[in-house]
Amino acid sequence: NAGVMQNPRHLVRRRGQEARLRCSPMKGHSHVYWYRQLPEEGLKFMVYLQKENIIDESGMPKERFSAEFPKEGPSILRIQQVVRGDSAAYFCASSPVAGTANYGYTFGSGTRLTVV
Amino acid sequence: RKEVEQDPGPFNVPEGATVAFNCTYSNSASQSFFWYRQDCRKEPKLLMSVYSSGNEDGRFTAQLNRASQYISLLIRDSKLSDSATYLCVVIGNGNQFYFGTGTSLTVIP
Repeated sequence: NAGVMQNPRHLVRRRGQEARLRCSPMKGHSHVYWYRQLPEEGLKFMVYLQKENIIDESGMPKERFSAEFPKEGPSILRIQQVVRGDSAAYFCASSPVAGTANYGYTFGSGTRLTVV
Repeated sequence: RKEVEQDPGPFNVPEGATVAFNCTYSNSASQSFFWYRQDCRKEPKLLMSVYSSGNEDGRFTAQLNRASQYISLLIRDSKLSDSATYLCVVIGNGNQFYFGTGTSLTVIP
C-alpha cells in the first residue's frame, strides 16, 4: 500500500517559468492538503481539496498559484511565473475523510523547488 | 498572533538526558493536537497524538493543558536518533493543521 506519492522530488526552474507539482494520495484517500515550508520556517497551509473541489484555499497566494484535484489522476499544484521567493519544500498530505480525528495526516516526501 | 508558537531552540542535550518542549496555541476551541517529528530535508512524520489525559509511548510523554492552552512533549533517556526537529500541530477550523515552527533537538554523545 503505497503512501502519499509526490513528484518530482526536486525541481529547478528559472525565474518566469512554470512549476507543476504532483501529489497522488494514499489509496482510498479523497482529501488532499498542500503545505509549503520555506527555509528555516514551519509548514504553512496552502490549500485543501477533495476530488474536483477546492474546499479551503485560504493559504494560497492570490496570484500565480493554483491547485486542482481532478476526478482522475493526481492533485496538481501549479505555480506560474516563478520567482526566487517560491523556492521551498512543498508537502502534500492526504486523509480518507473530512477531518482527521486522532490519526493525523500522512505526508508525502515533498517536492523541493529551487528557482534560479 | 500566531496560531501555534514554539520555542525554536536549539536544544543540545547529552545522551540519556530528559528534555521537554512546550508549545502554546491561540484558539481555545481547538480539539485535536499532535506532535510530529521532522528529520533534516525529510517530510514530517506523526510522532504521537496528544490527549487531555496525557499519553505515553515508550520514552515519549505528551501532555495537554487546555486551561493554559499549551501542549508539551517530554523525552526521557534521550538517544542520538532522537535528534530532529519536533513540530507541534493544532487542528483549527475546517480541519486545517496549524504547525509550529518546530523545536530543534540535538542529542550529543
